[in-house]
This record gives sequence, structure tokens and C-alpha cells, in this order.
Amino acid sequence: DVKVTQSSRYLVKRTGEKVFLECVQDMDHENMFWYRQDPGLGLRLIYFSYDVKMKEKGDIPEGYSVSREKKERFSLILESASTNQTSMYLCASSLNRAYNEKLFFGSGTQLSVL
Amino acid sequence: GESVGLHLPTLSVQEGDNSIINCAYSNSASDYFIWYKQESGKGPQFIIDIRSNMDKRQGQRVTVLLNKTVKHLSLQIAATQPGDSAVYFCAESRGTDKLIFGTGTRLQVFP
Repeated sequence: DVKVTQSSRYLVKRTGEKVFLECVQDMDHENMFWYRQDPGLGLRLIYFSYDVKMKEKGDIPEGYSVSREKKERFSLILESASTNQTSMYLCASSLNRAYNEKLFFGSGTQLSVL
Repeated sequence: GESVGLHLPTLSVQEGDNSIINCAYSNSASDYFIWYKQESGKGPQFIIDIRSNMDKRQGQRVTVLLNKTVKHLSLQIAATQPGDSAVYFCAESRGTDKLIFGTGTRLQVFP
């Protein structure tokens, strides 16, 4: 089975801090994604990547950046955390972009910004 | 704009009964649909998917029905068990476009 691992289950940060969320997948998937999940809003795509060193903006990229230096690792960076970035962050991966197929999700990181 | 929605935010069923969770989609060009289950404190877990060239697909205790005429997707769970209690949400996409997720339906199973 595909395993998508997010480095932290819970994080508490202060406003203005730089925050790194790490995600690793073990199935050589080409595609990786970062979503945030908020009550009543569903999953919203922040950034995604189809290849190493490539990134594309999702629907809500403001206040975030990403890094994909290795195929298996996709990092989400909050340059200066704000309280409205308190949320559940979900990383996902999929095999390739040839056609649409299921995403495999990590367990999520619940981030609280105080 | 295009959206994926759910008819009921909460569904309560008795253990052993069948559950039906519904999802409406608005993009008639969508050709791929997927259902996820999310238990409390966990990430979404893939249940079943279906492409637009099919109208029904079965898995273990689950069936997905696709009605393209009315743009409706449903997930049927047979003999619902307490372990099925979770939030279920659907997603759609067209071609290689990214998935668009609905907001979810909470399924509660009572004894």
C-alpha cells in the first residue's frame, strides 16, 4: 500500500513564525499535493507538483510556498504564519498526470497559529 | 461556477441497514468521480471511483452509481457497521484537471 507520511500530527506556532510542513511518499508517485481542510469548506488545493523542482499554484496559494527537491518529498512553507492559517493540512500523492486517478492522503497536520 | 455538493450534511442509520449518500455535480463534462471516507483525526481514505463510461461500480459492501442525465452520484453501503461512521465526500474531475471536492456528509451508525 502507498504510504504518505506527514511529519507532524499537531503543531502550535505563533503569529509571524516560519512554519515547515513535511510530507514523504514511498511509492515513487510523480504527483504531490497540499490541501487545507476547514469545516464547511471542504478540501482546498494550495499547491501541487508534477515533478521534482516543479510547482503549480492551486486555488489558495497566498501566504504559502512549496519545495520539491526530491521526488518523494513535498514541503509546505508558511513564510509568516497568521491566525487565519490555523487549519488541518493534508498532503496527497498520485501516480502520474496521464489521466485522473485517486489521491492517497496522509493523516494530516493540525496547525494552530496563536 | 462549477461545484460539487451533497444533499444531506448528516445521515443517521441503524446498524445493519443500507446507507445511501448522495452527491450532485454541476459540470456535465466531468468524467471521473471518486468517493473518500474520512474518520475522525485521520486523512481521507479512498473508497471507490468510477469513470463516466460506466454507470455502476461495485466494491466490497459499497456500490457507486452514476447518473449522468441528472448529474448525480451516490454511494451505497450495504449492511452498515459502526466502523462505517465517518465523513464521506465525493470529488469530480474532467480530463487531467485537478479533483474538485465536495464538503462531505457525516454518516452516523447507531445500534
